[in-house]
Amino acid sequence: GAGVSQSPRYKVAKRGQDVALRCDPISGHVSLFWYQQALGQGPEFLTYFQNEAQLDKSGLPSDRFFAERPEGSVSTLKIQRTQQEDSAVYLCASSAQVLSEQYFGPGTRLTVT
Amino acid sequence: AQSVTQLGSHVSVSEGALVLLRCNYSSSVPPYLFWYVQYPNQGLQLLLKYTSAATLVKGINGFEAEFKKSETSFHLTKPSAHMSDAAEYFCAVSEMNTGFQKLVFGTGTRLLVSP
Repeated sequence: GAGVSQSPRYKVAKRGQDVALRCDPISGHVSLFWYQQALGQGPEFLTYFQNEAQLDKSGLPSDRFFAERPEGSVSTLKIQRTQQEDSAVYLCASSAQVLSEQYFGPGTRLTVT
Repeated sequence: AQSVTQLGSHVSVSEGALVLLRCNYSSSVPPYLFWYVQYPNQGLQLLLKYTSAATLVKGINGFEAEFKKSETSFHLTKPSAHMSDAAEYFCAVSEMNTGFQKLVFGTGTRLLVSP
């Protein structure tokens, strides 16, 4: 069956531009996570949704980062006024229930020039 | 806060040799521990997980890991490496914040397999 998909796979933005990254979770999955993976590092938690409710956004680096999941399925991570330090792979994961296995998408590689 | 430390950013083995990837964790409560594998340009795939049942956990592709509380370790092993095992491996611990499973990852170990 279809896994987690993310688009675009690659995004190049000039410093100061806004970007929007999309995540399509596995159909019916309740939980959705965003992680940021800098080059040579492990993924770091950004935010968590249970259905449409954003229950934890403690990992968002600054108020330039915003995530939403308005209908409890597709999620968008938006970064305003991108900076070079925002360059990373952004991973999305979903799980069927709150405590079940997380399935990861292939990620969006963001490069800010 | 919980954390994991992966010793060795790169591990090189010959095909057919034992694979040992090290992970030590820090946790004030009984942890849930995970190993994930990441192939180039792909997302992470769960290899195995420890959730306080058996201390020796068997996963996919012939991998296994042993939870040792006295050593705060959860090392990943495979008796015989295959070329297709070359990838990045991440150890992770879960924090049970607000009732959900927030994963805290190590920095990863790249496994290189030579013929």
